[in-house]
Amino acid sequence: DAKTTQPNSMESNEEEPVHLPCNHSTISGTDYIHWYRQLPSQGPEYVIHGLTSNVNNRMASLAIAEDRKSSTLILHRATLRDAAVYYCILRDNDYKLSFGAGTTVTVRA
Amino acid sequence: ETGVTQTPRHLVMGMTNKKSLKCEQHLGHNAMYWYKQSAKKPLELMFVYNFKEQTENNSVPSRFSPECPNSSHLFLHLHTLQPEDSALYLCASSQDPGLAVYEQYFGPGTRLTVT
Repeated sequence: DAKTTQPNSMESNEEEPVHLPCNHSTISGTDYIHWYRQLPSQGPEYVIHGLTSNVNNRMASLAIAEDRKSSTLILHRATLRDAAVYYCILRDNDYKLSFGAGTTVTVRA
Repeated sequence: ETGVTQTPRHLVMGMTNKKSLKCEQHLGHNAMYWYKQSAKKPLELMFVYNFKEQTENNSVPSRFSPECPNSSHLFLHLHTLQPEDSALYLCASSQDPGLAVYEQYFGPGTRLTVT
Protein backbone atom coordinates (compact mmCIF):
# COMPACT_ATOMS: atom_id res chain seq x y z
CA ASP A 1 0.00 0.00 0.00
CA ALA A 2 1.18 3.53 -0.73
CA LYS A 3 2.07 5.40 2.45
CA THR A 4 1.40 8.91 3.70
CA THR A 5 3.50 11.20 5.86
CA GLN A 6 1.95 13.81 8.13
CA PRO A 7 3.33 16.09 10.86
CA ASN A 8 2.70 14.76 14.34
CA SER A 9 0.96 17.88 15.58
CA MET A 10 -0.21 21.36 14.65
CA GLU A 11 -1.60 24.25 16.64
CA SER A 12 -4.03 26.91 15.55
CA ASN A 13 -5.97 29.80 16.98
CA GLU A 14 -9.73 29.76 16.94
CA GLU A 15 -11.29 31.26 13.80
CA GLU A 16 -8.02 31.07 11.88
CA PRO A 17 -7.40 28.74 8.93
CA VAL A 18 -5.55 25.48 9.41
CA HIS A 19 -3.52 23.89 6.63
CA LEU A 20 -2.73 20.23 7.20
CA PRO A 21 -0.11 18.82 4.83
CA CYS A 22 0.19 15.23 3.69
CA ASN A 23 2.95 13.73 1.56
CA HIS A 24 2.26 10.66 -0.55
CA SER A 25 5.11 10.45 -3.03
CA THR A 26 4.40 6.81 -3.98
CA ILE A 27 0.74 7.39 -4.81
CA SER A 28 -0.59 5.35 -7.73
CA GLY A 29 -2.86 6.64 -10.45
CA THR A 30 -5.92 4.95 -8.99
CA ASP A 31 -5.43 5.95 -5.36
CA TYR A 32 -7.98 8.30 -3.88
CA ILE A 33 -6.86 10.68 -1.12
CA HIS A 34 -9.16 10.43 1.88
CA TRP A 35 -9.19 12.45 5.08
CA TYR A 36 -10.79 11.35 8.31
CA ARG A 37 -10.67 12.90 11.74
CA GLN A 38 -11.16 11.49 15.19
CA LEU A 39 -12.41 13.70 17.98
CA PRO A 40 -11.58 12.71 21.56
CA SER A 41 -13.53 9.68 22.76
CA GLN A 42 -15.27 9.22 19.40
CA GLY A 43 -14.95 7.06 16.34
CA PRO A 44 -13.30 8.43 13.19
CA GLU A 45 -15.37 10.72 11.00
CA TYR A 46 -15.09 11.13 7.23
CA VAL A 47 -14.00 14.62 6.20
CA ILE A 48 -13.34 14.71 2.46
CA HIS A 49 -11.76 12.84 -0.42
CA GLY A 50 -10.44 13.57 -3.89
CA LEU A 51 -8.59 12.06 -6.82
CA THR A 52 -7.02 14.82 -8.92
CA SER A 53 -9.01 18.03 -8.61
CA ASN A 54 -9.40 20.24 -5.57
CA VAL A 55 -12.54 19.50 -3.59
CA ASN A 56 -14.72 21.52 -1.24
CA ASN A 57 -17.45 20.48 1.13
CA ARG A 58 -19.12 21.94 4.19
CA MET A 59 -16.36 20.70 6.48
CA ALA A 60 -13.17 21.48 4.63
CA SER A 61 -11.30 21.90 1.35
CA LEU A 62 -8.79 19.53 -0.16
CA ALA A 63 -6.02 20.92 -2.32
CA ILE A 64 -4.17 18.30 -4.38
CA ALA A 65 -0.80 19.01 -5.96
CA GLU A 66 -0.61 18.73 -9.72
CA ASP A 67 1.72 15.72 -9.50
CA ARG A 68 -0.49 14.23 -6.74
CA LYS A 69 2.51 13.58 -4.53
CA SER A 70 1.11 15.79 -1.79
CA SER A 71 -2.14 17.30 -0.62
CA THR A 72 -3.37 19.79 1.96
CA LEU A 73 -6.52 19.69 4.03
CA ILE A 74 -7.77 23.19 4.74
CA LEU A 75 -10.06 24.04 7.63
CA HIS A 76 -11.12 27.56 6.78
CA ARG A 77 -12.00 28.79 10.26
CA ALA A 78 -10.95 26.52 13.07
CA THR A 79 -13.27 26.09 16.01
CA LEU A 80 -12.65 24.34 19.29
CA ARG A 81 -14.71 21.46 17.94
CA ASP A 82 -12.10 20.92 15.21
CA ALA A 83 -9.52 19.76 17.78
CA ALA A 84 -8.92 16.17 16.71
CA VAL A 85 -6.50 13.75 15.11
CA TYR A 86 -6.60 14.12 11.33
CA TYR A 87 -5.71 11.14 9.15
CA CYS A 88 -4.63 11.30 5.50
CA ILE A 89 -5.26 7.93 3.85
CA LEU A 90 -4.75 6.60 0.34
CA ARG A 91 -7.38 4.22 -0.94
CA ASP A 92 -7.45 2.12 -4.04
CA ASN A 93 -10.68 0.42 -5.03
CA ASP A 94 -10.80 -1.83 -2.01
CA TYR A 95 -12.25 -1.57 1.44
CA LYS A 96 -9.06 -1.04 3.37
CA LEU A 97 -8.54 2.14 5.33
CA SER A 98 -4.98 2.10 6.67
CA PHE A 99 -4.79 4.58 9.51
CA GLY A 100 -1.41 5.95 10.49
CA ALA A 101 -0.61 8.14 13.47
CA GLY A 102 -2.24 11.23 11.93
CA THR A 103 -1.80 14.88 12.89
CA THR A 104 -3.07 16.04 16.26
CA VAL A 105 -4.63 19.46 15.85
CA THR A 106 -4.93 21.72 18.88
CA VAL A 107 -7.11 24.82 18.67
CA ARG A 108 -6.45 27.65 21.09
CA ALA A 109 -9.37 29.81 22.18
CA GLU B 1 -24.87 10.82 15.04
CA THR B 2 -23.44 8.80 12.16
CA GLY B 3 -26.15 6.20 11.75
CA VAL B 4 -23.96 3.52 13.31
CA THR B 5 -24.68 2.58 16.90
CA GLN B 6 -22.66 0.40 19.22
CA THR B 7 -23.56 -1.18 22.55
CA PRO B 8 -22.38 -1.24 25.20
CA ARG B 9 -20.29 1.92 25.20
CA HIS B 10 -18.16 0.66 28.07
CA LEU B 11 -17.45 -2.91 29.16
CA VAL B 12 -15.31 -4.35 31.92
CA MET B 13 -14.83 -8.09 31.84
CA GLY B 14 -12.70 -10.70 33.49
CA MET B 15 -10.45 -13.00 31.53
CA THR B 16 -12.82 -15.95 31.98
CA ASN B 17 -15.97 -14.10 30.97
CA LYS B 18 -17.88 -14.30 27.71
CA LYS B 19 -19.42 -11.13 26.36
CA SER B 20 -20.61 -9.72 23.06
CA LEU B 21 -20.35 -6.33 21.40
CA LYS B 22 -23.18 -5.22 19.16
CA CYS B 23 -23.19 -2.89 16.20
CA GLU B 24 -26.16 -1.72 14.15
CA GLN B 25 -26.18 0.50 11.10
CA HIS B 26 -29.24 2.39 9.88
CA LEU B 27 -27.74 3.53 6.57
CA GLY B 28 -28.67 0.68 4.24
CA HIS B 29 -25.03 -0.19 3.70
CA ASN B 30 -23.78 -3.54 2.47
CA ALA B 31 -20.44 -3.77 4.24
CA MET B 32 -19.55 -3.73 7.93
CA TYR B 33 -16.22 -3.69 9.69
CA TRP B 34 -14.64 -4.22 13.11
CA TYR B 35 -11.56 -2.19 14.06
CA LYS B 36 -9.43 -2.21 17.19
CA GLN B 37 -7.76 0.91 18.57
CA SER B 38 -5.25 0.30 21.33
CA ALA B 39 -3.65 3.11 23.28
CA LYS B 40 -0.87 4.84 21.33
CA LYS B 41 -1.47 2.64 18.24
CA PRO B 42 -3.19 3.28 14.91
CA LEU B 43 -6.55 1.71 14.18
CA GLU B 44 -6.26 -1.90 13.09
CA LEU B 45 -8.77 -3.57 10.82
CA MET B 46 -10.00 -6.85 12.32
CA PHE B 47 -12.86 -8.18 10.20
CA VAL B 48 -14.82 -7.20 7.10
CA TYR B 49 -18.26 -8.43 6.09
CA ASN B 50 -19.76 -7.78 2.68
CA PHE B 51 -23.39 -8.81 2.18
CA LYS B 52 -23.16 -10.86 5.40
CA GLU B 53 -20.14 -12.81 4.14
CA GLN B 54 -16.81 -12.47 5.87
CA THR B 55 -14.26 -11.24 3.37
CA GLU B 56 -11.39 -10.36 5.66
CA ASN B 57 -9.94 -11.77 8.86
CA ASN B 58 -6.82 -9.81 9.60
CA SER B 59 -5.03 -12.56 11.57
CA VAL B 60 -7.26 -11.99 14.57
CA PRO B 61 -6.97 -14.49 17.47
CA SER B 62 -9.83 -16.96 17.76
CA ARG B 63 -10.89 -15.52 21.13
CA PHE B 64 -12.58 -12.85 18.97
CA SER B 65 -15.48 -14.32 17.01
CA PRO B 66 -17.52 -12.11 14.66
CA GLU B 67 -21.08 -12.72 13.56
CA CYS B 68 -23.08 -10.91 10.89
CA PRO B 69 -26.69 -12.19 10.78
CA ASN B 70 -27.75 -9.53 8.24
CA SER B 71 -26.35 -6.44 6.56
CA SER B 72 -27.53 -4.19 9.38
CA HIS B 73 -26.14 -6.00 12.40
CA LEU B 74 -22.66 -7.06 13.41
CA PHE B 75 -21.54 -8.74 16.62
CA LEU B 76 -18.16 -9.43 18.13
CA HIS B 77 -18.22 -12.31 20.58
CA LEU B 78 -15.47 -12.25 23.17
CA HIS B 79 -14.18 -15.11 25.32
CA THR B 80 -11.08 -15.77 27.43
CA LEU B 81 -9.61 -12.39 26.60
CA GLN B 82 -6.26 -11.13 27.81
CA PRO B 83 -5.50 -7.78 29.46
CA GLU B 84 -3.71 -6.66 26.28
CA ASP B 85 -7.06 -6.92 24.48
CA SER B 86 -8.21 -3.84 26.37
CA ALA B 87 -8.91 -1.24 23.70
CA LEU B 88 -11.54 0.78 21.89
CA TYR B 89 -13.48 -1.45 19.48
CA LEU B 90 -14.99 0.40 16.58
CA CYS B 91 -17.62 -0.69 14.13
CA ALA B 92 -18.00 0.90 10.71
CA SER B 93 -20.14 0.48 7.62
CA SER B 94 -19.95 1.54 3.99
CA GLN B 95 -22.10 1.36 0.91
CA ASP B 96 -19.74 -0.67 -1.22
CA PRO B 97 -16.49 -2.00 0.17
CA GLY B 98 -14.84 -2.26 -3.21
CA LEU B 99 -15.03 1.34 -4.34
CA ALA B 100 -12.73 4.03 -2.98
CA VAL B 101 -15.30 6.77 -3.52
CA TYR B 102 -17.45 5.48 -0.68
CA GLU B 103 -16.54 6.57 2.80
CA GLN B 104 -16.84 4.50 5.94
CA TYR B 105 -19.13 5.59 8.75
CA PHE B 106 -17.93 4.76 12.24
CA GLY B 107 -19.81 4.15 15.45
CA PRO B 108 -18.73 5.69 18.75
CA GLY B 109 -16.93 2.55 19.85
CA THR B 110 -16.99 0.25 22.85
CA ARG B 111 -14.29 0.89 25.43
CA LEU B 112 -13.29 -2.59 26.64
CA THR B 113 -11.26 -3.22 29.76
CA VAL B 114 -10.11 -6.75 30.52
CA THR B 115 -9.18 -7.34 34.15
